[in-house]
Amino acid sequence: GQQVMQIPQYQHVQEGEDFTTYCNSSTTLSNIQWYKQRPGGHPVFLIQLVKSGEVKKQKRLTFQFGEAKKNSSLHITATQTTDVGTYFCAGRVSSSNTGKLIFGQGTTLQVKP
Amino acid sequence: EPEVTQTPSHQVTQMGQEVILRCVPISNHLYFYWYRQILGQKVEFLVSFYNNEISEKSEIFDDQFSVERPDGSNFTLKIRSTKLEDSAMYFCASSELLAGSGELFFGEGSRLTVL
Repeated sequence: GQQVMQIPQYQHVQEGEDFTTYCNSSTTLSNIQWYKQRPGGHPVFLIQLVKSGEVKKQKRLTFQFGEAKKNSSLHITATQTTDVGTYFCAGRVSSSNTGKLIFGQGTTLQVKP
Repeated sequence: EPEVTQTPSHQVTQMGQEVILRCVPISNHLYFYWYRQILGQKVEFLVSFYNNEISEKSEIFDDQFSVERPDGSNFTLKIRSTKLEDSAMYFCASSELLAGSGELFFGEGSRLTVL
């Protein structure tokens, strides 16, 4: 079946260090979304990438969509304690006409002050 | 800001009992979803719902699960005969556009504990 793999599962960084999480799909995606879930919270939408090779920035966050539309990454520059949480990528398979999003396993980020 | 609301926030039930989880999606949204998240694990798709019918369901969504939009505002998930492995956080989500075209707005979740 369709799978979206995400690595690493956990990452502990010192405040001020950079952080990257990677997402890979077994099939071509029509687009990919990223969500953040704070501890005890619910997923909150961050961004959507649609075009092959697309790069988008939100302040210290940089999102990339691969040329083949099968992989994506989220990079956080100079992490802060407010970045703590689990980051999920979620992909929509090109062949799906129902909007089903397949979530990766998530990367949980811990930031030590 | 409009939000998706879910009730109850936490439900404890005995194995074999029926459970109904309720959701009020954002009012102008057309697409509704249920996802579940077993503690510390990934967010798993259960079912999508559009135009008063199921548009897609996962292999998890077997005959013991059903969804309904009884009155044009509520969107419910019923688990007919709960099992221990149904213990999870259940998230309702809605979208103005087909998910993947637009963002999903998630509710705060309903934590189900099956004893």
